[in-house]
Amino acid sequence: DAGITQSPRHKVTETGTPVTLRCHQTENHRYMYWYRQDPGHGLRLIHYSYGVKDTDKGEVSDGYSVSRSKTEDFLLTLESATSSQTSVYFCAISESGPGSYNEQFFGPGTRLTVL
Amino acid sequence: GQQVMQIPQYQHVQEGEDFTTYCNSSTTLSNIQWYKQRPGGHPVFLIQLVKSGEVKKQKRLTFQFGEAKKNSSLHITATQTTDVGTYFCAGVVYGQNFVFGPGTRLSVLP
Repeated sequence: DAGITQSPRHKVTETGTPVTLRCHQTENHRYMYWYRQDPGHGLRLIHYSYGVKDTDKGEVSDGYSVSRSKTEDFLLTLESATSSQTSVYFCAISESGPGSYNEQFFGPGTRLTVL
Repeated sequence: GQQVMQIPQYQHVQEGEDFTTYCNSSTTLSNIQWYKQRPGGHPVFLIQLVKSGEVKKQKRLTFQFGEAKKNSSLHITATQTTDVGTYFCAGVVYGQNFVFGPGTRLSVLP
């Protein structure tokens, strides 16, 4: 498996609290992604990064922000968590972007429950 | 926006039977990838298809990309219990990010 870790692996929080999820890679890949996985929806892209301090929105970015200050770390922040953000969050990395050969390697996931 | 659909949503087969999942995009794709996710696990890359009409094989798995580059299929011959999991396709329109289908969950009865 690629060197990707996510922390925490499980979190229970209350509505309205801020939450930050961390993704750490040791592969020096340029691209990093945050997805959420919900039953019946597959994986939906929240935000992605194509370099340090270079980020962009995905299809379900409302309520989420990201930061990437180092190549190896990509943080996902829920400024004020809502119950609709209860989900499993996966981080992924790839050497190159879409349109080229860019196998995505996924982290183990973070299960977030917002009460 | 781009939509990717997969059918069936669930498939239960007896060990040794064949299995096929289909992926359909609302727009022409530049390439498509397939991933497998075991229960409780994370998605793992299986293959990428780029060319119109492309067919690739990995042991008992056969992947096809349609001539119009709007659909794809994954066929497993003689399923085994190790094939259990959810299979996702992920399509990309040129210059955009991957859009994942909702997945097909495969159960294999021994």
